[in-house]
Amino acid sequence: QSALTQPASVSGSPGQSITISCTGTSSDVGAYNYVSWYQQHPGEAPKLLIYDVSSRPSGVSNRFSGSKSDNTASLTISGLQAEDEADYYCSSYTSSSTRVFGGGTKLTVL
Amino acid sequence: EVQLVQSGAEVKKPGESLKISCKGSGYSFTNYWIGWVRQMPGKGLEWMGIIYPGDSDTRYSPSFQGQVTISADKSISTAYLQWSSLKASDTAIYYCARSSTRRDGFDIWGQGTMVTVSS
Repeated sequence: QSALTQPASVSGSPGQSITISCTGTSSDVGAYNYVSWYQQHPGEAPKLLIYDVSSRPSGVSNRFSGSKSDNTASLTISGLQAEDEADYYCSSYTSSSTRVFGGGTKLTVL
Repeated sequence: EVQLVQSGAEVKKPGESLKISCKGSGYSFTNYWIGWVRQMPGKGLEWMGIIYPGDSDTRYSPSFQGQVTISADKSISTAYLQWSSLKASDTAIYYCARSSTRRDGFDIWGQGTMVTVSS
């Protein structure tokens, strides 16, 4: 199975909103509402931000939101803050009963 | 506190075997899936496989099937990832992580185990 497709990098200024896309196929993103998003700061383990396309775990800021349309999922971060600078990964359940990650997106806060 | 604690960093030679561990605490270990994720130096996350300690149901990514073995010992709340013959390309950080179902995301992550394979 191929990795989901994410932009290599995105950037934004503090206070702005950015959106990171995650494109899969009809066998993963398009087939199930089991898309999750993770944030990873350098030297740290990933942290779950969004699960089941748009649900937030307890403790995650409501500045993070998720959505999906057809084979593409999206993560939107509103009110960008300096601490949002990190790598972001999407992940989806697949028709092979496994999961797959996206290639990752580096967010730079200008 | 719910946590996953992984075993320490390893330095091995090509061809050697290795088994790293991930111990869960603060929750019912047999009621959650434990997955393993690889992160090669400077690269992204790769989903390797997942196990349900309650009945040892295990699924592997096609990329890792036959390359590693995932197991669990529910009596000591510990999951394992093992190699029979390491290669230099196995050099990476390996994370274990918890999921409530096979389909859902990983809500709790271990701190990672750095595996270095070098002659």
